Amino acid sequence: GEDVEQSLFLSVREGDSSVINCTYTDSSSTYLYWYKQEPGAGLQLLTYIFSNMDMKQDQRLTVLLNKKDKHLSLRIADTQTGDSAIYFCAESISGSNYKLTFGKGTLLTVNP
Amino acid sequence: EAQVTQNPRYLITVTGKKLTVTCSQNMNHEYMSWYRQDPGLGLRQIYYSMNVEVTDKGDVPEGYKVSRKEKRNFPLILESPSPNQTSLYFCASSLSTAATDTQYFGPGTRLTVL
Repeated sequence: GEDVEQSLFLSVREGDSSVINCTYTDSSSTYLYWYKQEPGAGLQLLTYIFSNMDMKQDQRLTVLLNKKDKHLSLRIADTQTGDSAIYFCAESISGSNYKLTFGKGTLLTVNP
Repeated sequence: EAQVTQNPRYLITVTGKKLTVTCSQNMNHEYMSWYRQDPGLGLRQIYYSMNVEVTDKGDVPEGYKVSRKEKRNFPLILESPSPNQTSLYFCASSLSTAATDTQYFGPGTRLTVL
């Protein structure tokens, strides 16, 4: 079955880069997603990557996918205090968004 | 403003007292879903609906019911709540089930069952 693993905590200083890592087990994953959850709010889609891509960049966000190792990472450049949140990795193996498997989330704390 | 709304946002109830958490979206989305979020377990899908009158079980459907009589509403019903249903619940919707369609999440409902 599918399983998505993330480290639970990450603490960085403001201005540094943050790298949040995720591993997944199902090699048939087609899309992989990163969601952000700010305190007291629902999840917000940050970005996604199709499994035939190695990298996707969107402003301060860079997603790297190593399909061989089933490893996904989210790099946030110039991390700001407003980036403090829980970040969830999720995978879709169905080629659709209605059956997503989420990781447990990584709490990113940005210190001034 | 395009949004997913949930009511109530907070609820404390007692075991066995039926309750309904409402979810409504104003984006004419086909797909809607309910998740629960628990510490150390992440998000788990309870039920989803691909369209009006079409619902299906997610990963943790036991103890829950849903209905989709109208496109905009997708209520979550707990007929006889139990303490293990204490959790943070999220409703989500998207235009379709295409992998590239964004899921929009509601603000969450924190439920405590005593």
